[in-house]
Amino acid sequence: DQQVKQNSPSLSVQEGRISILNCDYTNSMFDYFLWYKKYPAEGPTFLISISSIKDKNEDGRFTVFLNKSAKHLSLHIVPSQPGDSAVYFCAASGAGGSQGNLIFGKGTKLSVKP
Amino acid sequence: KAGVTQTPRYLIKTRGQQVTLSCSPISGHRSVSWYQQTPGQGLQFLFEYFSETQRNKGNFPGRFSGRQFSNSRSEMNVSTLELGDSALYLCASSLKDPLPGAQYFGPGTRLLVL
Repeated sequence: DQQVKQNSPSLSVQEGRISILNCDYTNSMFDYFLWYKKYPAEGPTFLISISSIKDKNEDGRFTVFLNKSAKHLSLHIVPSQPGDSAVYFCAASGAGGSQGNLIFGKGTKLSVKP
Repeated sequence: KAGVTQTPRYLIKTRGQQVTLSCSPISGHRSVSWYQQTPGQGLQFLFEYFSETQRNKGNFPGRFSGRQFSNSRSEMNVSTLELGDSALYLCASSLKDPLPGAQYFGPGTRLLVL
């Protein structure tokens, strides 16, 4: 049973517009949520995180929103740029032990068209 | 500072064989985690090592094992390979505790089992 779900395998957005990537989770014990970006032939790169005690974290063009009651988080990218085209993974940690154990969603492939 | 390096980058094996993958963490990093990425299951946590001790383990069969050396380099071994073991194997390192966002991923080893 998947504890972290990204229900949209792909998303296409026009350059300059907002990209919204969504993620749902089932385990209420998670205490940190993260977004990673992955280009082909490279390992994932950390993008932004949010603690479960917060509902929003912003870093430049990237903002993550957390709705604990709905067990839902989203990543907003504004404005979207062609270089943002990549696979984005949502991940959660903290449930049941070491934070070395990240639970990942299956990813959403974002395509930003010029 | 050099990033996380993984060797080999690509590997082809046949069913029943065994394989050993290597990971050299960023200098000074003592925690190493391993993940398996497949199209169907996404990124799944295998295990985490810290100071030569396995600190956390994912839900994989005993054919998957690992170890960490005194210089923090880590190896993972898969015995009696199956077709389903074909995947990208990613290693991630962090300083001490793999705090959210503080894990740095290598480029991965792509294993193909024929």
